[in-house]
Amino acid sequence: EAGVAQSPRYKIIEKRQSVAFWCNPISGHATLYWYQQILGQGPKLLIQFQNNGVVDDSQLPKDRFSAERLKGVDSTLKIQPAKLEDSAVYLCASSFGTGDYEQYFGPGTRLTVT
Amino acid sequence: QQPVQSPQAVILREGEDAVINCSSSKALYSVHWYRQKHGEAPVFLMILLKGGEQKGHDKISASFNEKKQQSSLYLTASQLSYSGTYFCGTEIRSSNTGKLIFGQGTTLQVKP
Repeated sequence: EAGVAQSPRYKIIEKRQSVAFWCNPISGHATLYWYQQILGQGPKLLIQFQNNGVVDDSQLPKDRFSAERLKGVDSTLKIQPAKLEDSAVYLCASSFGTGDYEQYFGPGTRLTVT
Repeated sequence: QQPVQSPQAVILREGEDAVINCSSSKALYSVHWYRQKHGEAPVFLMILLKGGEQKGHDKISASFNEKKQQSSLYLTASQLSYSGTYFCGTEIRSSNTGKLIFGQGTTLQVKP
């Protein structure tokens, strides 16, 4: 079974530039999550999708971050414009459903904003 | 709202035991445990759903005391492969979304 795929793996941009991350979840997984993990901290949920609907985006900085999950499969996360404090690893995870199901994480995208 | 993990770091010799605690100020519905090795993605260990439930995974087990809003992860006869950072993820009872809030992590280093 293929795991969660993410691209790119690494990205370096200057502040005020824009960047996009892509995630392909495990086939059949209805729930998709985007997390931000700052060095030395636990993952922080940015947005959670159930199929193509948003379940929780309470911690997404909506003035600069946006995410979509068209057709309930792949998802993209965009930052525009980026700030220095956005430097982090962006993890995508998927699960069969919400709550009682284990989450499978992708390898992440390491973003450096200079 | 973020759960508090203790200790922050542990150094063990192979074969020794360790306990990692996770405590929440909110009533919990479930606790999830993950392990993350340096530069890699978190990997699922186990989910605990009921008060007092205990689960095992090889020589790693965990308990969940719903009344105390606490969970503990037990690593027995530790192996070198157990090294990494352990995170608990808590789902609060009032949530109906399955949203997890992760602790700050406990770094475990197992030495030969």
